Amino acid sequence: DTEVTQTPKHLVMGMTNKKSLKCEQHMGHRAMYWYKQKAKKPPELMFVYSYEKLSINESVPSRFSPECPNSSLLNLHLHALQPEDSALYLCASSQADRDGYGYTFGSGTRLTVV
Amino acid sequence: AQTVTQSQPEMSVQEAETVTLSCTYDTSESDYYLFWYKQPPSRQMILVIRQEAYKQQNATENRFSVNFQKAAKSFSLKISDSQLGDAAMYFCAYLRGGSNYKLTFGKGTLLTVNP
Repeated sequence: DTEVTQTPKHLVMGMTNKKSLKCEQHMGHRAMYWYKQKAKKPPELMFVYSYEKLSINESVPSRFSPECPNSSLLNLHLHALQPEDSALYLCASSQADRDGYGYTFGSGTRLTVV
Repeated sequence: AQTVTQSQPEMSVQEAETVTLSCTYDTSESDYYLFWYKQPPSRQMILVIRQEAYKQQNATENRFSVNFQKAAKSFSLKISDSQLGDAAMYFCAYLRGGSNYKLTFGKGTLLTVNP
């Protein structure tokens, strides 16, 4: 299995809703990432988990809450989002101790906040 | 801080011809990696090719090859025999070695392939 699977593919939520994005990989990668991507822009790093521990938080607002329950699964919990949070959310994974092999990305969740 | 610059917001190429996408980067590090990622309308970022800074030989993957000029800090991507399926946004990316985890992307080049 050489894929990163993200669900759902599309999500529409109100500003008072709580929802979660899910990301799963079975490649044995021990680093997992959340990125936010606006249209026609490069991805922006949000969070990095290394060996199931939060390694990097790029000053992301607390309405985004990541969770890494195990080495294969990464969640992003969403609460009280704003319309400007509408974007494509990409999950990625990589071998934690072998930099040069690149990241494997999922197809993303297209989030619309109304 | 490391920066990655893609000076061509859009490029176009005729099917079966060759196109070169430019990328320059700025770093003071000696241990780093460079990547080209492709993002078609399907949204998934796909790794096209990678280069290790300490390797002088240019990386090649089938129709894709790079021209890595370390002293000039240049990392261009050449696509030969362009196909309709090559149409996508292409991002150049830099990663400092040492489990840094912070992949720095350029702004991207939108490639159109004309039949």
